[in-house]
Amino acid sequence: GAVVSQHPSWVICKSGTSVKIECRSLDFQATTMFWYRQFPKQSLMLMATSNEGSKATYEQGVEKDKFLINHASLTLSTLTVTSAHPEDSSFYICSARDTSGSYEQYFGPGTRLTVT
Amino acid sequence: QKEVEQNSGPLSVPEGAIASLNCTYSDRGSQSFFWYRQYSGKSPELIMSIYSNGDKEDGRFTAQLNKASQYVSLLIRDSQPSDSATYLCAVKYNYGQNFVFGPGTRLSVLP
Repeated sequence: GAVVSQHPSWVICKSGTSVKIECRSLDFQATTMFWYRQFPKQSLMLMATSNEGSKATYEQGVEKDKFLINHASLTLSTLTVTSAHPEDSSFYICSARDTSGSYEQYFGPGTRLTVT
Repeated sequence: QKEVEQNSGPLSVPEGAIASLNCTYSDRGSQSFFWYRQYSGKSPELIMSIYSNGDKEDGRFTAQLNKASQYVSLLIRDSQPSDSATYLCAVKYNYGQNFVFGPGTRLSVLP
């Protein structure tokens, strides 16, 4: 149980284009999903908290107009990187929290984005 | 500012030994604590959660929590080379939904 998927697992795009990443909870409902970014040899950095049916809460320093988050259902959240630049190249990971009340977060496999 | 601290390592232990990973946190109001394992190039995987003072055992893993001293540890018994990874400590504070992650400790189990 507690499986989270992400799609795509890796993507290469050109500078200036937009990329959408999907995060799905496969066997549980998640009212809350989280989006993280991780650069090589660094720890996880929380970008935003996504709540189903409401606007995402962004961490300080994260541009909400650049990183668009939509949490339209209890099993799906999407992150769109708009007008991507090479410095956006990173490992993007989502996690989901079960609605059952447990605080545990389950991570998706991650999406490796390379902007050329 | 809420902080979670871990020794970055690397921590090297021989195969079969006990690996001890430590984590300290700054906010006494913290209520939930988690250990994640992350292999290189992969996403974190939940190993243990602990909410009450004392020990919690799951297979070869034991999490220990001491809220008075504000530390949480993870013991790995009979360490295997496959345990070689970065171990992340995560703390959920009393308010808010998100975790604060430590920088991680890199563990190397030598055959």
